[in-house]
Amino acid sequence: ETGVTQSPTHLIKTRGQQVTLRCSSQSGHNTVSWYQQALGQGPQFIFQYYREEENGRGNFPPRFSGLQFPNYSSELNVNALELDDSALYLCASSLDRGMSTGELFFGEGSRLTVL
Amino acid sequence: QQQVKQSPQSLIVQKGGISIINCAYENTAFDYFPWYQQFPGKGPALLIAIRPDVSEKKEGRFTISFNKSAKQFSLHIMDSQPGDSATYFCAAETQGGSEKLVFGKGTKLTVNP
Repeated sequence: ETGVTQSPTHLIKTRGQQVTLRCSSQSGHNTVSWYQQALGQGPQFIFQYYREEENGRGNFPPRFSGLQFPNYSSELNVNALELDDSALYLCASSLDRGMSTGELFFGEGSRLTVL
Repeated sequence: QQQVKQSPQSLIVQKGGISIINCAYENTAFDYFPWYQQFPGKGPALLIAIRPDVSEKKEGRFTISFNKSAKQFSLHIMDSQPGDSATYFCAAETQGGSEKLVFGKGTKLTVNP
């Protein structure tokens, strides 16, 4: 059983650019959540996808968008990057979490630096 | 508005001692309260979780105490070990809510040998 894998692990972008981060869910999981973790802070919920549909969104602007694919892998896209977008982006997968709470299995994250 | 307030920000404990981390929440609709442990360079991992129908849950050296009326919950780590040195996050969630797991700001625990 493979865990949650994210790519890339580190990347550097400049302000105004666009970025795509990828996540492969743990085998059998149909729900993926994305979190932003600024340095020294707790993870902050961006959005969740359950069976390819968005199922909840946190307080993030529309330039943060996502996709979940039929194999339950996922992408996080951020347009018009700002300096404050520099953070660790965490993907978490779970099973049937669209309807209930329960354990999230986190990947190791993608560290984004915006210059 | 910070929905889950966590304290202390950092904690230093001697090996064998008890580590206590506290959290308070605002939203009475929260019905799931997990604690996550994060090591440097890793993603958070679930340590232990509780639902509001019980006041305490114990798993090995880790115990959650839950006070529904005070809207507070805490993590106790008994016989703390150097390997417990990590950042701990409390969190809360409402089943079926549009905003998912809300995390505290974290407590960096250092257990000295």
